[in-house]
Amino acid sequence: AQSVTQPDIHITVSEGASLELRCNYSYGATPYLFWYVQSPGQGLQLLLKYFSGDTLVQGIKGFEAEFKRSQSSFNLRKPSVHWSDAAEYFCAVGDGSNNAGNMLTFGGGTRLMVKP
Amino acid sequence: DAGVTQSPTHLIKTRGQQVTLRCSPKSGHDTVSWYQQALGQGPQFIFQYYEEEERQRGNFPDRFSGHQFPNYSSELNVNALLLGDSALYLCASSLGEGSYEQYFGPGTRLTVT
Repeated sequence: AQSVTQPDIHITVSEGASLELRCNYSYGATPYLFWYVQSPGQGLQLLLKYFSGDTLVQGIKGFEAEFKRSQSSFNLRKPSVHWSDAAEYFCAVGDGSNNAGNMLTFGGGTRLMVKP
Repeated sequence: DAGVTQSPTHLIKTRGQQVTLRCSPKSGHDTVSWYQQALGQGPQFIFQYYEEEERQRGNFPDRFSGHQFPNYSSELNVNALLLGDSALYLCASSLGEGSYEQYFGPGTRLTVT
């Protein structure tokens, strides 16, 4: 069964500093990988996704993520954090070999706090 | 173009009761998935509906059931509510059952007392 681990439950960074959120997945076949952001009381917004090809993917709001198959990782990065980036971030994996479903398995999330 | 909408926003139920949550997919989408997000955790997949049939199901008991209507909207029903069913219930829609281009609604916050 596929699983996703986000080792950091909370992270605090200063505004303007760089950010890296870690994500490790366990999946035997072709993973589809995603990062979502959730603000308080809101649903999930897709930041970026990886299906195949270039392992460095660009997303919205200045975020990027790098797929490293050898490390089973898909870490999210941003060079300069803004106060509005404070939110909960979720990494998720889907089954890229299954055309008959789109179930996502999510990690436990990382809560990002931004210091002024 | 309206996105995914869910109703109600919040509701409070008592243990043993039954609840129905509703979801209208994004315009043009024909597939609806439901997720449960307990406080402090990531969402967990409940099931997916496509062509008015349940196509995939996560590890949830039969107390959780659903329905999809011809207009692609969907309902999630939970019977015999338990305290542990308290959570944010998220609906996601997509075009096609295998599409990962999913859009999430704002969720329904269910509290069971």
